Amino acid sequence: SQTIHQWPATLVQPVGSPLSLECTVEGTSNPNLYWYRQAAGRGLQLLFYSVGIGQISSEVPQNLSASRPQDRQFILSSKKLLLSDSGFYLCAWSDEGRTEAFFGQGTRLTVV
Amino acid sequence: ILNVEQSPQSLHVQEGDSTNFTCSFPSSNFYALHWYRWETAKSPEALFVMTLNGDEKKKGRISATLNTKEGYSYLYIKGSQPEDSATYLCAPLRTYKYIFGTGTRLKVLA
Repeated sequence: SQTIHQWPATLVQPVGSPLSLECTVEGTSNPNLYWYRQAAGRGLQLLFYSVGIGQISSEVPQNLSASRPQDRQFILSSKKLLLSDSGFYLCAWSDEGRTEAFFGQGTRLTVV
Repeated sequence: ILNVEQSPQSLHVQEGDSTNFTCSFPSSNFYALHWYRWETAKSPEALFVMTLNGDEKKKGRISATLNTKEGYSYLYIKGSQPEDSATYLCAPLRTYKYIFGTGTRLKVLA
């Protein structure tokens, strides 16, 4: 069966520090991968998606970047965090977009 | 930009009441619509995947309908229970992307 792992679960980082959130999927190959963010009081906003290794599409201008160095690994990064980067980040995967998306447990990021 | 609207944004109902929410989306280039339930401290989980105009799906006390021509879907909960309390999200699928609405936050009062 397929599983998705996302870590860390919580993170408190100072403004200006770097960020690296990692997400890995097991039990499937060539998944579509997604990073979402829920800011306080708002819905899920799609940040990045990837349909293959090295293929990243950005949905919104932002202070973050994403990379997919391996087929089942998706990384969300920032060189310098802003206060506005605080939020709940979710990684998800789907089978080439034909089925529902499956989500990781999420990372609660607080930038102080 | 795909505009997905859900209403109401939040509601409180009494245990045993039935309720429904709306998801509105652009009807052009429709591919599929997903409904998710997102409980506090958990990950969103898929409820329904709907693809055809007129689709009706049911899972226990929860059901959903789809109108792709006019661009809306309804989610119904019959006899609400406290464990139904969650945020309900809809997501039209565009190519590879799931674009979520802001969700409807449901609180069922015992």
